[in-house]
Amino acid sequence: TQLLEQSPQFLSIQEGENLTVYCNSSSVFSSLQWYRQEPGEGPVLLVTVVTGGEVKKLKRLTFQFGDARKDSSLHITAAQTGDTGLYLCAVADVASYDKVIFGPGTSLSVIP
Amino acid sequence: DVKVTQSSRYLVKRTGEKVFLECVQDMDHENMFWYRQDPGLGLRLIYFSYDVKMKEKGDIPEGYSVSREKKERFSLILESASTNQTSMYLCASRLGTSGDTQYFGPGTRLTVL
Repeated sequence: TQLLEQSPQFLSIQEGENLTVYCNSSSVFSSLQWYRQEPGEGPVLLVTVVTGGEVKKLKRLTFQFGDARKDSSLHITAAQTGDTGLYLCAVADVASYDKVIFGPGTSLSVIP
Repeated sequence: DVKVTQSSRYLVKRTGEKVFLECVQDMDHENMFWYRQDPGLGLRLIYFSYDVKMKEKGDIPEGYSVSREKKERFSLILESASTNQTSMYLCASRLGTSGDTQYFGPGTRLTVL
């Protein structure tokens, strides 16, 4: 079973700062998803990246899929308090077409 | 708007009790999932179902069972709750393959005393 690593595990920043979080593995993936989970809620899909080197933007969030499709990054510009939450990356389990593997997450806290 | 609902947001049970967690989706999705979420471990799959009355074990099925009698409803059962089953339980549904969006419920925080 492939493992996903996410870094950093925790991040606390001031409002207005920029940040990048990472999702890494030794395996190659056909696609990768990023979810955000706000306190007290279930995760919500932010984006799916499919092509190596792909960059997708969602307002102040920029997602990149590594050229070799083994890693991904999420960059947030000018963080806001509403960005606070747990950021999870997820990939399809190569051993089971139906299953998804989630990383442990990066817990982001944006302080006003 | 798609919706996944879970029967309880918070639940406190005693060791040895039988616990039912229910999940309902209104999107006519084929696939439904039960995860538990613990700090530092991410989401771990307990069971999933790809059709009515069909189920597959996930990564941590021990101590749990599931039931899917209707397409919209997927139940997680703890036959005899133990303290190590204290956790956040998340239900999700998905229309198609693993590349599709999973829609999650708000979660049930279960405490077993």
